[in-house]
Amino acid sequence: GAGVSQSPRYKVAKRGQDVALRCDPISGHVSLFWYQQALGQGPEFLTYFQNEAQLDKSGLPSDRFFAERPEGSVSTLKIQRTQQEDSAVYLCASSPVGGTDRSYNEQFFGPGTRLTVL
Amino acid sequence: RKEVEQDPGPFNVPEGATVAFNCTYSNSASQSFFWYRQDCRKEPKLLMSVYSSGNEDGRFTAQLNRASQYISLLIRDSKLSDSATYLCVVSHGSGNTGKLIFGQGTTLQVKP
Repeated sequence: GAGVSQSPRYKVAKRGQDVALRCDPISGHVSLFWYQQALGQGPEFLTYFQNEAQLDKSGLPSDRFFAERPEGSVSTLKIQRTQQEDSAVYLCASSPVGGTDRSYNEQFFGPGTRLTVL
Repeated sequence: RKEVEQDPGPFNVPEGATVAFNCTYSNSASQSFFWYRQDCRKEPKLLMSVYSSGNEDGRFTAQLNRASQYISLLIRDSKLSDSATYLCVVSHGSGNTGKLIFGQGTTLQVKP
């Protein structure tokens, strides 16, 4: 079956440009997460959605980062006025149930979008 | 100091060797523990969950020591295909969103 898909797979932006990264989660998955992975590091949490509600955005590094999931399915991560330090792989993950469920539910990751800011 | 600490390696081992990775976590509220595998330029994939009683999946054995806040992964009879980065991961308790907290990752290179 189809997994999590992300587009574009690669994005090169000039410093100061705005970018939009798309995530298509597995159909029917309630939870959606965005992570940022810098070179040589593990992924770091950015934000979490349960259906269309953004329940946690504590990991967003600045107000230049904005995420939405208006219909509880596809999500977009937008970065305004990109800076060189925004260069990273942006990973999206989805999970079948809400994060407040006591039992852990595996997060399935997409292939990521590799953003390079020149 | 990062919440999950791992030795980044690289660990270079011959085929057939046994190799062990360790990690420590600092937040005692952590409730769930995992090892993820990440191949070069690919997404992370769940390798196995880790339980206090220890658990085994074929050549892979994971252990958790809650008192010491320490997690380990043992790989026996290493294969060339085991070459990857192994990420130690924790998640906090109930009421949390379920977000994952990753270590830096430990790189394993298995050589013929």
